[in-house]
Amino acid sequence: QSVLTQPPSASGAPGQRVTISCSGSSSNIGSNSVNWYQQFPGTSPKLLIYSDDQRPSGVPDRFSGSKSATSASLAISGLQSEDEADYYCATWADSLNGPVFGGGTKLTVL
Amino acid sequence: QVQLVESGGGVVQPGKSLRLSCAASGFTFSNYGMHWVRQAPGKGLEWVAVTWHDGSNQYYMDSVKGRFSISRDNSRNTLYLQMNSLRAEDTAVYFCARDSAVEGVIIAQLDYWGQGILVTVSS
Repeated sequence: QSVLTQPPSASGAPGQRVTISCSGSSSNIGSNSVNWYQQFPGTSPKLLIYSDDQRPSGVPDRFSGSKSATSASLAISGLQSEDEADYYCATWADSLNGPVFGGGTKLTVL
Repeated sequence: QVQLVESGGGVVQPGKSLRLSCAASGFTFSNYGMHWVRQAPGKGLEWVAVTWHDGSNQYYMDSVKGRFSISRDNSRNTLYLQMNSLRAEDTAVYFCARDSAVEGVIIAQLDYWGQGILVTVSS
């Protein structure tokens, strides 16, 4: 059971907009910034969004992040087949002195 | 370009030890904190340990405290994870990852990851 709660799956048709949620608490998301990672099967994760809503260079602006209180969201607009992957939210956990990850959301492009 | 290459994985019996290495290149290794993150087969990501850029601090997830030890050799640009008293539940792909903060407090934005190395604990 992850400290951060994500839906196990999400789906959308090509061109649609999909949102993935990440719910935490005051001791993690509520007091720290959120990062999102994208992972394709058999590969290592890639930093997709950092500091709640910032995109590393090279990440398309179709990907956006937001945060409100103890929850965060990742939005993917103009969904493409190559977006099919697992997505993880993560944030610092004060009690751990390290990051905690959500359980991950498997995105399927219909 | 930044490269992180893990090695040292394999099959080990419960209770035994294993040491993972992560060779870094393409950046000034001594300027960055480093993490180990693992992923059990078919499961999600789980943070394991972190070391500060200068090795001055280390933190661990609860279930590996007292069994695992993270260290680094900045002269060799290499990160290590010494794993003792291994258990079946430690079976996972282990990734090393760079913290994006330069010479500062760890912020756990993991901007570069290795390809991962499989550790299987089984009799």
